[in-house]
Amino acid sequence: DARVTQTPRHKVTEMGQEVTMRCQPILGHNTVFWYRQTMMQGLELLAYFRNRAPLDDSGMPKDRFSAEMPDATLATLKIQPSEPRDSAVYFCASGLTSRGVSPLHFGNGTRLTVT
Amino acid sequence: GQNIDQPTEMTATEGAIVQINCTYQTSGFNGLFWYQQHAGEAPTFLSYNVLDGLEEKGRFSSFLSRSKGYSYLLLKELQMKDSASYLCAVRAPGGATNKLIFGTGTLLAVQP
Repeated sequence: DARVTQTPRHKVTEMGQEVTMRCQPILGHNTVFWYRQTMMQGLELLAYFRNRAPLDDSGMPKDRFSAEMPDATLATLKIQPSEPRDSAVYFCASGLTSRGVSPLHFGNGTRLTVT
Repeated sequence: GQNIDQPTEMTATEGAIVQINCTYQTSGFNGLFWYQQHAGEAPTFLSYNVLDGLEEKGRFSSFLSRSKGYSYLLLKELQMKDSASYLCAVRAPGGATNKLIFGTGTLLAVQP
């Protein structure tokens, strides 16, 4: 089965350090999403790419977060500098734009802890 | 604005039926999705509704009323493995997008 791959699965870092999370979307999918999940807020959309172009990053703190898609097989989410409030699970999802069902497929997430 | 409401937690008994409700107020609508998420795992797709009515898929069914901004997920013949979070998500309007806005999820505990 094709799946979205995220690395690392877990990351513990100290406040102020840079964190980079990586995502390999399903081959052939033309949209990639970054979501952050916490107990209080649920799944929040951070950034969204279609055909590698950023379409919406309004949910992302611009001063410290950045998202890129250097090629069709790699999406990255960086936090610099990281803060304890960034501790969460970060999910990448990919899909195909369609008027039909076209669900998003999620990776297993990166669990980030900032101390 | 976007507002999607679900109950935070529910408890049900093995073998029973449970209904998980979702109400939404969003700026535009282009379909509603239900996802299941087991603890520590990724959300996985369960069902999709874009027209009013009931969609049935095995033990799981999902209902949509667009005029009421309301959906529910119905789980029949509950099994212990159905203990999970159930996430309601609305897709943004427009044919060239599959952006999903999620509710905070309903944590379902199935008891013996």
